[in-house]
Amino acid sequence: GAGVSQTPSNKVTEKGKYVELRCDPISGHTALYWYRQSLGQGPEFLIYFQGTGAADDSGLPNDRFFAVRPEGSVSTLKIQRTERGDSAVYLCASSLIGQGSEQYFGPGTRLTVT
Amino acid sequence: EDKVVQSPLSLVVHEGDTVTLNCSYEVTNFRSLLWYKQEKKAPTFLFMLTSSGIEKKSGRLSSILDKKELSSILNITATQTGDSAIYLCAVPSYSGAGSYQLTFGKGTKLSVIP
Repeated sequence: GAGVSQTPSNKVTEKGKYVELRCDPISGHTALYWYRQSLGQGPEFLIYFQGTGAADDSGLPNDRFFAVRPEGSVSTLKIQRTERGDSAVYLCASSLIGQGSEQYFGPGTRLTVT
Repeated sequence: EDKVVQSPLSLVVHEGDTVTLNCSYEVTNFRSLLWYKQEKKAPTFLFMLTSSGIEKKSGRLSSILDKKELSSILNITATQTGDSAIYLCAVPSYSGAGSYQLTFGKGTKLSVIP
């Protein structure tokens, strides 16, 4: 595809439920980032993948959050036992290795936990 | 910890006005500074600045970096209603293993009224 895609666009879930958010990066981009953006704030880093491995997961807020990228392309962000404080827009970005600064973002998933 | 501060946080102007958005940063190892435009959810890449004093220009938008003052400005001339958006400033923070996670400011919300 031409750009980064994310599904679903919106997700409403009840407190305590499990959710999965999907990201499909730009073809050929081996670097993939997840960010979270709360209302009135800039995006905040969650996790970085180089290929299939999570090279940097220092931004994950706690162990309820986990992400995978099994084949080095599509990535899934998984949130267990969701809490109302998890409500935010989850953004995915991809870039070419070696040009890591220029990241291209997907349209995001708006997660609402009720 | 790297830090980015943007001002003003919000701005309302009339069509045709010229606006200047400000971004200041504190970063351990400066590599570049990026500007994004965010309408709805997806941040769209505008500029990447690496050298002080060299203006980057795209249509009515231009940006310049001042490494001595640790700051950058984004100018928009002859504003149009389509320029209404949140403008985000970010700096890459290198955390090893090829990860250039972006540290964002809170953004400037620009509203252009007819």
